[in-house]
Amino acid sequence: GQQVMQIPQYQHVQEGEDFTTYCNSSTTLSNIQWYKQRPGGHPVFLIQLVKSGEVKKQKRLTFQFGEAKKNSSLHITATQTTDVGTYFCAGPSSGGYQKVTFGIGTKLQVIP
Amino acid sequence: GAGVSQSPSNKVTEKGKDVELRCDPISGHTALYWYRQSLGQGLEFLIYFQGNSAPDKSGLPSDRFSAERTGGSVSTLTIQRTQQEDSAVYLCASSLVGGNEQYFGPGTRLTVT
Repeated sequence: GQQVMQIPQYQHVQEGEDFTTYCNSSTTLSNIQWYKQRPGGHPVFLIQLVKSGEVKKQKRLTFQFGEAKKNSSLHITATQTTDVGTYFCAGPSSGGYQKVTFGIGTKLQVIP
Repeated sequence: GAGVSQSPSNKVTEKGKDVELRCDPISGHTALYWYRQSLGQGLEFLIYFQGNSAPDKSGLPSDRFSAERTGGSVSTLTIQRTQQEDSAVYLCASSLVGGNEQYFGPGTRLTVT
């Protein structure tokens, strides 16, 4: 079945450094979603990308969808301690829009 | 409006007992998902309901797990004869339709002693 692979699994950065997490699918995705889970919390939807090559920004966060719609990235500029958490990408499972498959997540630690 | 709610927030049970976990999705959301998250791990898909269609049960780990969704709204996840490896946070999420952004509840932390 369709899988969504995410790397790295863990990332430690100094506050102020940039951070990027990557998401790759074995099949073309109709869309990709990104979620953030703070420690002790539940995943919260951040954004959805639909178009090939799409780039969206939310303040210091930049989301990109690959031209082939098989990969995506989330880049955080100048990390802050509030960015700590696990970032998940998610894409529709093969066969339709219905079920969404989550990547394993990238756990970000920001060292003050 | 109200978000997704789950109850109980915490449940401690003895090995071998049955437990029921409840999820109240956002009103009007036709899709409902259950996930399991072990400590420090990712989201493990369990089951998915979409409207009146037959649920996608492909993620249920064993026949001890079952779920139902009554009237297209509230859902209950039942774990029979709980085992210690069932200890985890059980998350429920709903979306307007399948494939759209999901709104997660706060989860139920299940501890099997």
